[in-house]
Amino acid sequence: EDQVTQSPEALRLQEGESSSLNCSYTVSGLRGLFWYRQDPGKGPEFLFTLYSAGEEKEKERLKATLTKKESFLHITAPKPEDSATYLCAVQPAGYSTLTFGKGTMLLVSP
Amino acid sequence: DGGITQSPKYLFRKEGQNVTLSCEQNLNHDAMYWYRQDPGQGLRLIYYSQIVNDFQKGDIAEGYSVSREKKESFPLTVTSAQKNPTAFYLCASRNKQTGVDQPQHFGDGTRLSIL
Repeated sequence: EDQVTQSPEALRLQEGESSSLNCSYTVSGLRGLFWYRQDPGKGPEFLFTLYSAGEEKEKERLKATLTKKESFLHITAPKPEDSATYLCAVQPAGYSTLTFGKGTMLLVSP
Repeated sequence: DGGITQSPKYLFRKEGQNVTLSCEQNLNHDAMYWYRQDPGQGLRLIYYSQIVNDFQKGDIAEGYSVSREKKESFPLTVTSAQKNPTAFYLCASRNKQTGVDQPQHFGDGTRLSIL
């Protein structure tokens, strides 16, 4: 069974304090790994897709990396507006559906 | 602007009542999905459709039904058989026409509560 585990469940940072979120996965062949940002009461907003180990993607203060067992979302010098829940999802090979983790709730204080 | 529209934003259901959640997209996407999100839980797949007039059950389809009569629309009915319907419901769509797997894009959800 495909599984996605995100850690920590919640993370509180001071503005400018860099950190990383973890997404560990077990899947029988990875087609793609997706990162989303979700604000309260809103739908998830797509951030990145990673396809193979060693791949990296960047967007503003966010950088996503992928290994064969996990993905990291690095947040450099975060700002309060980066506060949100970050979701990780995997698409197994041969499937068009996603398996989501429970998310990491990030709070960045000024 | 192109996007996914879910309505209503809030919905209340009485005991024994069926309710229908609307999802419309103008992105010309082939695939559409329904998820349920409970507090502290990940998104769980209810139903999905990859083409008009065809759909498949997800992990938690019991107590739900869908139809896909038009490419743009994928309504979800929460039936009286669903005993714990209180949740945040999210609709998503995805472009399948390109060779590379495209991400799913989401609407802003419908929050369903029991009266």
